[in-house]
Amino acid sequence: QSALTQPASVSGSPGQSITISCTGTSSDIGAYNYVSWYQQHPGKAPKLMIYDVSRRPSGLSSRFSGSKSGNTASLTISGLQAEDEADYYCTSYTSSSSVVFGGGTKLTVL
Amino acid sequence: QLQLQESGPGLVKPSETLSLTCIVSGGSISTSSYYWGWIRQPPGKGPEWIGSMDYSGITYYNPSLKSRVTISVDTSKNQFSLNLGSVTAADTAVYYCTRQFSHAISSGRHVFDSWAQGTLVTVSS
Repeated sequence: QSALTQPASVSGSPGQSITISCTGTSSDIGAYNYVSWYQQHPGKAPKLMIYDVSRRPSGLSSRFSGSKSGNTASLTISGLQAEDEADYYCTSYTSSSSVVFGGGTKLTVL
Repeated sequence: QLQLQESGPGLVKPSETLSLTCIVSGGSISTSSYYWGWIRQPPGKGPEWIGSMDYSGITYYNPSLKSRVTISVDTSKNQFSLNLGSVTAADTAVYYCTRQFSHAISSGRHVFDSWAQGTLVTVSS
């Protein structure tokens, strides 16, 4: 199955807000409310940031939020901090009974 | 606190079987609350889900890999394993073992809430 489409890179200054988009189809994002987002720092394992489109794991900063409209999901990070600089991946369940990841977005904090 | 740790060879020859084990500590694998699975990430690329299993043996596999993959659980040792057969260079990746929520997994709710550090497996002769 095709990967979900994410911008290759986004950037923002400390304190600003940024949004990362994740575009799929009516067979994945558009069909299920099972979108997750993961943060990955270089050389580290991914970390769950958002699940079920907009739910945050216990203890995670409220600066991270998720949403979905049609076939596109979004991750918003407000009050950008230096430690937010990382790669971000979205995932969704698909109608072919699989889990598909996005290609990843590199977030740079200027 | 839950910890996952992979073990296995870092180099596998083409056409052979890649075998990895994930040792679970700080929690029991024999719980209905979680599934246990594998995800891989080729160098410089996004992750790819391989498959997931619960302690009773219920499995979910990526359809694109299903013909070559077996995931098994050893509750007595609190560990689970991955076997990937007939490997090629395209199977070179960092392999992660993971824990995921079990609630609604049959409906497609795959949420990977804990990850091991990852182990690089290279397929080369």
